[in-house]
Amino acid sequence: TQLLEQSPQFLSIQEGENLTVYCNSSSVFSSLQWYRQEPGEGPVLLVTVVTGGEVKKLKRLTFQFGDARKDSSLHITAAQPGDTGLYLCAGLGRFGAGTRLTVKP
Amino acid sequence: NAGVTQTPKFRILKIGQSMTLQCTQDMNHNYMYWYRQDPGMGLKLIYYSVGAGITDKGEVPNGYNVSRSTTEDFPLRLELAAPSQTSVYFCASSYYQARTEAFFGQGTRLTVV
Repeated sequence: TQLLEQSPQFLSIQEGENLTVYCNSSSVFSSLQWYRQEPGEGPVLLVTVVTGGEVKKLKRLTFQFGDARKDSSLHITAAQPGDTGLYLCAGLGRFGAGTRLTVKP
Repeated sequence: NAGVTQTPKFRILKIGQSMTLQCTQDMNHNYMYWYRQDPGMGLKLIYYSVGAGITDKGEVPNGYNVSRSTTEDFPLRLELAAPSQTSVYFCASSYYQARTEAFFGQGTRLTVV
């Protein structure tokens, strides 16, 4: 059983569409992190959320930490082909299985 | 700064052989981690260390061993390689376990045949 469950596992959309991916756990975390990984590379940190209910924006990416600090979401507005990659949530050194996003031109 | 450096980048092992994956970081981070990533999947934690001389098991430690004699180095040892250990291995480091960014090496692609 994964400590952090991510959904969907795969997502393929057209350029310009919006999307949301989710990270859920039955455990409470003091913080959660979102990473993006491109083929052949290690993951790179996008954001750390710390406070329950917190919303952080990074250009077209919006991250939310659940009020109970058990879940988080990543929303991408007007997706671009450059957003293609594996999106991973992580807490206390553990990673979810990731959402593999493909954005088609 | 070099960050996290892993060697080798690629390796092919025969079943039953042993090898050590090297990892070094120059950021004076307390925490270091070893992960494996199977094709199309997320990262599974093998072992981690909270500082020199202290190591602990992660989610999938069987078949691996680690040591942490210095702050900088965290080698991963495979004693009797098995096909199930074919994977990409990532080393990472962070200052704390929570709330701080983990920096990753470029990965070691290991094939056991």
